[in-house]
Amino acid sequence: GAGVSQSPRYKVAKRGQDVALRCDPISGHVSLFWYQQALGQGPEFLTYFQNEAQLDKSGLPSDRFFAERPEGSVSTLKIQRTQQEDSAVYLCASSLAGESYEQYFGPGTRLTVT
Amino acid sequence: SQQGEEDPQALSIQEGENATMNCSYKTSINNLQWYRQNSGRGLVHLILIRSNEREKHSGRLRVTLDTSKKSSSLLITASRAADTASYFCGQAGTALIFGKGTTLSVSS
Repeated sequence: GAGVSQSPRYKVAKRGQDVALRCDPISGHVSLFWYQQALGQGPEFLTYFQNEAQLDKSGLPSDRFFAERPEGSVSTLKIQRTQQEDSAVYLCASSLAGESYEQYFGPGTRLTVT
Repeated sequence: SQQGEEDPQALSIQEGENATMNCSYKTSINNLQWYRQNSGRGLVHLILIRSNEREKHSGRLRVTLDTSKKSSSLLITASRAADTASYFCGQAGTALIFGKGTTLSVSS
């Protein structure tokens, strides 16, 4: 596709449910990033992949958060046993290779936990 | 926290005026990137300035970088209503570290 796509765009989950958020990066982009953006705040880093390897997951807020990119393309961010504080916009970005390049962001998935 | 800060938090100007936003950061950087975010959308890359550069231009945008002060500024000249958005600077390390952003409102 022309840009980074994310699905679903909106997700409402009841507290305790598991959710899976999908990211399709730009074809050929080696690096993929996940960010969490709370209302009125800047995006906060969650995790980073280079191809299929998860090189940095230091931003994941708890062990309920898990991300994968098994074939080095599509990535899924999974949140288990969702809590109200997980409500945020989850942004995915891809780049040619690492931090030296501009990142292309998807439109985000707005997660609301009720 | 390694999070930087944008200043001011909010800025309201008239069309045709210039808008200046500042960014301070805390860590050593490979480069610094400025992004724009329209309400409800993802971030759009505006300009990247490397740590060995001091100034960079792109159309109506001018970015400066002072690594000794760990600060950067974004100048938008001759602003338009379409420039209304939130602006973020991202410190490039492994990933980008963003501040809370500057919300720019340009009225016609």
